[in-house]
Amino acid sequence: EAGVVQSPRYKIIEKKQPVAFWCNPISGHNTLYWYLQNLGQGPELLIRYENEEAVDDSQLPKDRFSAERLKGVDSTLKIQPAELGDSAVYLCASSLGNQETQYFGPGTRLLVL
Amino acid sequence: EDQVTQSPEALRLQEGESSSLNCSYTVSGLRGLFWYRQDPGKGPEFLFTLYSAGEEKEKERLKATLTKKESFLHITAPKPEDSATYLCAVLGGATNKLIFGTGTLLAVQP
Repeated sequence: EAGVVQSPRYKIIEKKQPVAFWCNPISGHNTLYWYLQNLGQGPELLIRYENEEAVDDSQLPKDRFSAERLKGVDSTLKIQPAELGDSAVYLCASSLGNQETQYFGPGTRLLVL
Repeated sequence: EDQVTQSPEALRLQEGESSSLNCSYTVSGLRGLFWYRQDPGKGPEFLFTLYSAGEEKEKERLKATLTKKESFLHITAPKPEDSATYLCAVLGGATNKLIFGTGTLLAVQP
């Protein structure tokens, strides 16, 4: 069974530029998560989707970050404009339900110059 | 406030030298405690889920245990390929989201 797929794996951009990350969850997983992981830290939740509905986006900086999960499958996380402090690893995870085990993708490593 | 503290921050072992990693947590209404392994440049890889005090789970050289305040990840006779960062996370509390610790960086030398 294929795991969580993310692209791109690496991205280098200049500050103030836009950037987008894509995630394809494990087939059949209704719940999708976007996490931010800084170096030496554990992942921190940005947003959680139940099917196509964002049910927890309290930690998403809405002035510059946006996300969507059209048709309840793939998801895109966007940053516009990017700031130096956004340099981090962006992880996508999925689970059968909110209380179930979360499986993570390989992450997208973002460097903002 | 929900909180997860892992210790030690880093641990260096010789191959075959058994040890334990600690995960202390504070959460109201624990719904699950999760252990993940993370290799450099990769996403966290699921290891175990524990749901109630007294529960134990094993996988190869790893054994996870749970009490009402902490969890231990015991590593028996480790090999160099066990070198990784081990993350602990709890699900529960008012936010009902996964709260991670900062991890323990394990290095096993041959």
